[in-house]
Amino acid sequence: EAQVTQNPRYLITVTGKKLTVTCSQNMNHEYMSWYRQDPGLGLRQIYYSMNVEVTDKGDVPEGYKVSRKEKRNFPLILESPSPNQTSLYFCASSLNAYNEQFFGPGTRLTVL
Amino acid sequence: AQSVTQLDSQVPVFEEAPVELRCNYSSSVSVYLFWYVQYPNQGLQLLLKYLSGSTLVKGINGFEAEFNKSQTSFHLRKPSVHISDTAEYFCAVRRASGGYQKVTFGIGTKLQVIP
Repeated sequence: EAQVTQNPRYLITVTGKKLTVTCSQNMNHEYMSWYRQDPGLGLRQIYYSMNVEVTDKGDVPEGYKVSRKEKRNFPLILESPSPNQTSLYFCASSLNAYNEQFFGPGTRLTVL
Repeated sequence: AQSVTQLDSQVPVFEEAPVELRCNYSSSVSVYLFWYVQYPNQGLQLLLKYLSGSTLVKGINGFEAEFNKSQTSFHLRKPSVHISDTAEYFCAVRRASGGYQKVTFGIGTKLQVIP
């Protein structure tokens, strides 16, 4: 089944404790992206990747890192999480930068 | 840069009644337009898209949208809603030219279908 998977689905952590949210797609998509969803703000793009080893900042990249060492994986790294990063995070992929995106199920992160 | 405005944050509607969810965009160049739906506790999935051609676009689950270039709108409609349509709907826009262009999402409209 074609899908985008994210892990974990739920995470509660404390300020400053490094964490990684994994994202994997099995559709051989070139383009991958991370979004955060906050009430009243919709989806805002954090980082995106056009292909392996090609990443760039989105609208709200501060406090986040990404890597794209393999085509299928696009992990989101929070080196020192803060409470303002409490949010619902979505990973998405598409065949290329012009096609519709397929979204993962989301990761709800709470930073205390 | 482009922008998207979803005029209604919440839309309550009775079951089997028609519904229209409004979306207006702003862009100085041609655009691609999308509607995504997010069911509770799930990720977004594509409802329909407009890339070019006919301005009336049909999507899944009986939804359709009409691209109106003069009014810069892409409103989503369904003639008769079902309880299962209760979800949040997002309009999105992307510039149609110039290499990579990011997608801009609206803030979403929550559709509540009342039995």
